[in-house]
Amino acid sequence: SQKIEQNSEALNIQEGKTATLTCNYTNYSPAYLQWYRQDPGRGPVFLLLIRENEKEKRKERLKVTFDTTLKQSLFHITASQPADSATYLCALEIPGGGADGLTFGKGTHLIIQP
Amino acid sequence: DAGITQSPRHKVTETGTPVTLRCHQTENHRYMYWYRQDPGHGLRLIHYSYGVKDTDKGEVSDGYSVSRSKTEDFLLTLESATSSQTSVYFCAISDDRGPISNSPLHFGNGTRLTVT
Repeated sequence: SQKIEQNSEALNIQEGKTATLTCNYTNYSPAYLQWYRQDPGRGPVFLLLIRENEKEKRKERLKVTFDTTLKQSLFHITASQPADSATYLCALEIPGGGADGLTFGKGTHLIIQP
Repeated sequence: DAGITQSPRHKVTETGTPVTLRCHQTENHRYMYWYRQDPGHGLRLIHYSYGVKDTDKGEVSDGYSVSRSKTEDFLLTLESATSSQTSVYFCAISDDRGPISNSPLHFGNGTRLTVT
C-alpha cells in the first residue's frame, strides 16, 4: 500500500521567510498529488493539485513541485504570514484509484512567528 | 464550506450504544466520504458512496455502516460504540472521482465523538 511521510514535527518559520514543507511517498507513483490546509477545529481545505507530468504549480504565494524520481513533493509558501499558520496535508491519488483512491499524509504543523 | 453540514458537531456517548452521524450536502455532488482523524494516524477512509444506495468500504470500516438514501445525505452508524471509535469524523464530497478524475475533496467541519 502507499505510504506518505510528512514531517511530523512542527515547523517554525519567521514571518516574511519562505516556508517549505515536504511530502515523501513510497511504492507506486501517484497520478497526481493534492495539498490541503487544516485549521484547528475545521475540516481540511483544498489548496493545490499537481499532476505527475507537471513539475511545478503556483497559486499566489503558494508553489508546489512534484519530483516523481525522488518520490517527493515540496510545498512552498513565500512571504509567509502568521495567518499561514496551520496544518498542511498532502494527499495522493493512485492511477485508476477511483472513488476511494485518495490517501492522506498525517500533516505538518506550520507556525509562522511574527 | 462547500455546502456541507455535519451533525451533531459534538457527541458524548457510552460504550455499547448506537450512534448515527449525519452529513448533508447542498452541492448535488455524486461522491461522499466518511473519514476519521486521530493523532498519529491522519485521515483514514471509513466508507464512501458513489451514488444513491451505492457504497463501499474504506481502510477502517470495521464497526461502521453507512447509508445513502438521497443524494444529499450520507449517514454513518456505529452499531455499538467502543472507546476505540473516539475520534473526529469528517464528511467529504466530490463531484467527479472517476479513475481519470482529479477533483478535490470538500470537507465538512467534523463531528467530535467521545465514547466513554
